Amino acid sequence: DVKVTQSSRYLVKRTGEKVFLECVQDMDHENMFWYRQDPGLGLRLIYFSYDVKMKEKGDIPEGYSVSREKKERFSLILESASTNQTSMYLCASSLIAGGRDEQYFGPGTRLTVT
Amino acid sequence: KQEVTQIPAALSVPEGENLVLNCSFTDSAIYNLQWFRQDPGKGLTSLLLIQSSQREQTSGRLNASLDKSSGRSTLYIAASQPGDSATYLCAVTGEYGNKLVFGAGTILRVKS
Repeated sequence: DVKVTQSSRYLVKRTGEKVFLECVQDMDHENMFWYRQDPGLGLRLIYFSYDVKMKEKGDIPEGYSVSREKKERFSLILESASTNQTSMYLCASSLIAGGRDEQYFGPGTRLTVT
Repeated sequence: KQEVTQIPAALSVPEGENLVLNCSFTDSAIYNLQWFRQDPGKGLTSLLLIQSSQREQTSGRLNASLDKSSGRSTLYIAASQPGDSATYLCAVTGEYGNKLVFGAGTILRVKS
């Protein structure tokens, strides 16, 4: 079974802090993704990466950056956390093969910025 | 821009009923369609994936169909159980894969 793990289930940070959210997958997937999920707005893509050191902006990249130094690890960075970044953050990974592109999700990190 | 709509937004049924959740998408040039389940405060669990060349997929009591030309998919749940209570999300990837576009979800409650 594919396993996607996220470093924290719950996180509380102060406004202006630099925040790192870590995601690790164990299936050698090429693609990794960061989403945020908010009531009434659904799931929105922040950034994704299709290879080591490669990244592409999603729908809402403002205020975020990412890092992928190793294939299995994809980090989301909030350079200066703000209260409007309070949200549930979900990481996913996938491999496109044989006509299938199935995304597998981690358990999520509930981030509160005060 | 791809848009995904799920109907109904919420559904409450007695245990044992068969039920259908609907998903529609505006751009038929998709690579895959995926159905997920999400329990409160948790991540997403992949239930079924339908490739663009397929018409349906089955897993246990779940059956998902895809009509790409009309931009529709349905998730059929047979003999519903209280443990099926969750939010069900439909999502599609673009023509070459990668980015998922999600619907808002259907909140299902199965009463015992």
